[in-house]
Amino acid sequence: AQSVTQLGSHVSVSEGALVLLRCNYSSSVPPYLFWYVQYPNQGLQLLLKYTSAATLVKGINGFEAEFKKSETSFHLTKPSAHMSDAAEYFCAVSNTGGFKTIFGAGTRLFVKA
Amino acid sequence: GAVVSQHPSRVICKSGTSVKIECRSLDFQATTMFWYRQFPKQSLMLMATSNEGSKATYEQGVEKDKFLINHASLTLSTLTVTSAHPEDSSFYICSAREGGTGAGAAFFGQGTRLTVV
Repeated sequence: AQSVTQLGSHVSVSEGALVLLRCNYSSSVPPYLFWYVQYPNQGLQLLLKYTSAATLVKGINGFEAEFKKSETSFHLTKPSAHMSDAAEYFCAVSNTGGFKTIFGAGTRLFVKA
Repeated sequence: GAVVSQHPSRVICKSGTSVKIECRSLDFQATTMFWYRQFPKQSLMLMATSNEGSKATYEQGVEKDKFLINHASLTLSTLTVTSAHPEDSSFYICSAREGGTGAGAAFFGQGTRLTVV
């Protein structure tokens, strides 16, 4: 079985500060990992994905995430937060055999001016 | 990335009526689509997996007679909420995977806000 844990339901940062959203996964097989962003009353937009190539994955809007097998983590970072980054972020996992995407509970990012 | 279109984006219906939500993959073929339900400030709950040309696979606890899923073509899946009640009010989101493996990212529709009055 696979699962995803996002640490912190809410994260607040100042504009220009580092953004760090934490995600740990559990999977008995090599996972595929994803980060999605959701703005109010909208669907989810893919930020980036890890599919067993480079462990450091760069995505859209300046976000990146690093896959660390030893820590079973896939934390999302951005060097400098913008006001427009305020949204809900979901970490997700799937695998080769399974077709379902399992989502974490989500982390709400607040950006203060 | 691939585009998934969901319609309508918002619907209000009377209790006891049925509502149909459409999910289309615009630039790729999707043999499998997924329907999620999202409660306020919560994560996505997978309701069912929609398979083109066959019956949908429902998650435990989801009433298949209440939430009818039809996947008649490689680009269209529909979710019909039958005899809707206020407790069915929610945000419903569909998704489709690109490619045929787990490595393919899921692309999501814009979601449908259903309000049953």
